[in-house]
Amino acid sequence: SQQGEEDPQALSIQEGENATMNCSYKTSINNLQWYRQNSGRGLVHLILIRSNEREKHSGRLRVTLDTSKKSSSLLITASRAADTASYFCATASYSSASKIIFGSGTRLSIRP
Amino acid sequence: GAVVSQHPSRVICKSGTSVKIECRSLDFQATTMFWYRQFPKQSLMLMATSNEGSKATYEQGVEKDKFLINHASLTLSTLTVTSAHPEDSSFYICSAGLGGQGNQPQHFGDGTRLSIL
Repeated sequence: SQQGEEDPQALSIQEGENATMNCSYKTSINNLQWYRQNSGRGLVHLILIRSNEREKHSGRLRVTLDTSKKSSSLLITASRAADTASYFCATASYSSASKIIFGSGTRLSIRP
Repeated sequence: GAVVSQHPSRVICKSGTSVKIECRSLDFQATTMFWYRQFPKQSLMLMATSNEGSKATYEQGVEKDKFLINHASLTLSTLTVTSAHPEDSSFYICSAGLGGQGNQPQHFGDGTRLSIL
């Protein structure tokens, strides 16, 4: 089962622009994680944000979390062609924090 | 960093064949591993939680007799798709995390693309 939805489902932007992806979820969480998947490959962990955190940065990535709205966003600044991939949020509950449930994903395409 | 190796990366076989997929944590021990299934352009659907030394926990709707999971050691979990049919064709991915508790990211294998003719 999927925990939530991401929007947009697909996003195409020009290289150098910023990309924002949103994730909404349904139940209370222990933490929320963002992953990237290149076509036909496994997933790479990007950022983990805990339920008591509101914002986190890693290089060109910025993640926010609003537990009152049950939503999160991933911002990629100064996008590059290599950022082309699918991006997924995933949530971990308090009852089973090591088990994560994925959102529907956003397919990001960066035009050169 | 933590590395998870999945093998094979691709399998093409005839209907009725049983296929075994291996997931290994190369530089850490994993008491728990997870198996996912992914259809084209869709998200990952959790199939089951593989527990070292005990039975796997399957998600609702996943046939445990169809998808056999064995987690015999702290570094290896296997998924066997028994008597595979074309509808079992999919991308299967495993993951493992450092430690048994939460607040740790999962490390994923590169996936196995299964094609049943």
